[in-house]
Order: sequence, then structure tokens, then C-alpha cells
Amino acid sequence: EAQVTQNPRYLITVTGKKLTVTCSQNMNHEYMSWYRQDPGLGLRQIYYSMNVEVTDKGDVPEGYKVSRKEKRNFPLILESPSPNQTSLYFCATRVGGHQETQYFGPGTRLLVL
Amino acid sequence: EDQVTQSPEALRLQEGESSSLNCSYTVSGLRGLFWYRQDPGKGPEFLFTLYSAGEEKEKERLKATLTKKESFLHITAPKPEDSATYLCAVTSGGTSYGKLTFGQGTILTVHP
Repeated sequence: EAQVTQNPRYLITVTGKKLTVTCSQNMNHEYMSWYRQDPGLGLRQIYYSMNVEVTDKGDVPEGYKVSRKEKRNFPLILESPSPNQTSLYFCATRVGGHQETQYFGPGTRLLVL
Repeated sequence: EDQVTQSPEALRLQEGESSSLNCSYTVSGLRGLFWYRQDPGKGPEFLFTLYSAGEEKEKERLKATLTKKESFLHITAPKPEDSATYLCAVTSGGTSYGKLTFGQGTILTVHP
């Protein structure tokens, strides 16, 4: 079964405590991306990766880091989280071709106190 | 900068009452327009990809169409299980291929 998994699903942390949200896919897709979803602002892209070792900024990259050392994993790193990073985060893959399709993970709900 | 505007923000329908959702976009060189369905607390679920004006895609009670400025998601004889937030997104070509810009969504509620 095609799957994008994220861990943890829920996280409460405090300002400044580094955290990592993992994302893994089993579809061998080259493209992966991170989004945050906030009420009234919709889904906004944080970072994306077109392939291993290739990453680029989306619309809201400030305060986040990513790495893509292997095709299946694309972790999102918050080195010094702040309350304005409280949000619902989604990881996604994307596959091109005749019918381009995206697959989203189940989401990670983050609360930064 | 790519922009996507969805309307209405919320739509309430009676079961069987057909309607349409709108997605207006501004993009330099549209490569693809996507529709998703999102249930509360879950990740978006992919529905359709449209590439060029005049293209149409159908799936069960849903039909997506595309013009040079907007896309419509037509819902025919909706059922309560069609209740969800419907999201539209665009991507442009060239060096911006990796970027995806979403609209804020339309919350659809179908009453039995």
C-alpha cells in the first residue's frame, strides 16, 4: 500500500527545544515536500526536495531546516521552535508523468509553548 | 508570485442539490492545477490533475474543469459523505516546478 508516514503525530514542546519531525515514504518517489496548515492561511509550502541531496525553499522556510540523504526520508527540523510555529504539518510526495499525483501524510500537530 | 483564490469559503447543500466550487488562479505558465479533498484532522486526498484549458476529469459525483483563468469542481447530486474541505493548488513550470501554491479551500457541507 502506498504510504507516507509521519512521526510523531502529536507533539507538545517548549520554546527553543530542538525537534525533528520524520517523514518516510514507500513509493520510491523522487519529490517530497513539507507544508504547514493554519486556520485562515491554508496550506503553505515550507521546503521541497526534487531528489536526494536536492532541497529548495517554499513560501515559508524561516525557522525550518530539512535534509534529504536518502530517497525515502525527508525530516523536518525545528532548531529553535517558537510559538508561531504551532501548526499542523504535512509531508507529501509527488509523482509526475501523464497523471501527476500527490500523496500526503496523516499530519503532525505541533504545539510550542 | 502564484496566487489561488477559492470561492465560496463555505457551501451548504441539501443532499441531491448539485453545485460548483470555483478556483481562480494567477500563475506564470501553468503546468498543472490540482484538486484535493480534506477530511477534518486528515491529510489532503488527491482527486484530479488538470493541465490545459478545456480539459475535464470525472470521478463518481465530481467533475473538474479548467479554463485559462479558473477551474470548477462540479458536484452532481451530492451525498452527506461528500462533506469535506476541497482544496485547489497550482504549480508552474521551469524552475518553479517544485513549488505548489494552495487556495484556502471551500468547506462543503451536505445535509441529508
